[in-house]
Amino acid sequence: SQQGEEDPQALSIQEGENATMNCSYKTSINNLQWYRQNSGRGLVHLILIRSNEREKHSGRLRVTLDTSKKSSSLLITASRAADTASYFCATGSSGGYNKLIFGAGTRLAVHP
Amino acid sequence: GAGVSQTPSNKVTEKGKYVELRCDPISGHTALYWYRQSLGQGPEFLIYFQGTGAADDSGLPNDRFFAVRPEGSVSTLKIQRTERGDSAVYLCASATGQGGAGELFFGEGSRLTVL
Repeated sequence: SQQGEEDPQALSIQEGENATMNCSYKTSINNLQWYRQNSGRGLVHLILIRSNEREKHSGRLRVTLDTSKKSSSLLITASRAADTASYFCATGSSGGYNKLIFGAGTRLAVHP
Repeated sequence: GAGVSQTPSNKVTEKGKYVELRCDPISGHTALYWYRQSLGQGPEFLIYFQGTGAADDSGLPNDRFFAVRPEGSVSTLKIQRTERGDSAVYLCASATGQGGAGELFFGEGSRLTVL
């Protein structure tokens, strides 16, 4: 079963626009991570936010976490055609190890 | 190489056959994970190793699936009596295993097609 639910399932934007993807989850977490997957490739880690953090930045990426609403968002600013990929949120529970449960992902298409 | 290596990259087999998928993690990573990804879905957790032992195999769908990591490095996922529903991309990931929370480094996956 999958813990996270991403919204929207698909997003199509023009280069230069911002892209916002949302993730909701069901159980308590230790951390939440975002991964990117290009078509036919493996997943690449983008950013990790811990349960006691509310916001984190990395380059053009901004992640927020609201544990009271069990939700997170990923914002990609000034998008580029190369950002076209699927984006997945994954939640890590407590328990001393990093068992990540992934959502179904958001497919982002950035058009030149 | 520096990353997680998975072989084969593609495997086509017939229903009922036995399959082995191999994962070579990043050197020094004690944590190793297997996930399965169906088309249009996110990765689904199968099993987690810390060192040589399977710390959590709760995601293995049934007893046809088995994984080993005898020396705490390379891991093999074994699928017996394959079924068409086993067709998916099998992803391996490794992590440092320190502190519990950290990023996973994924391989490119092994695409299994059961005819």
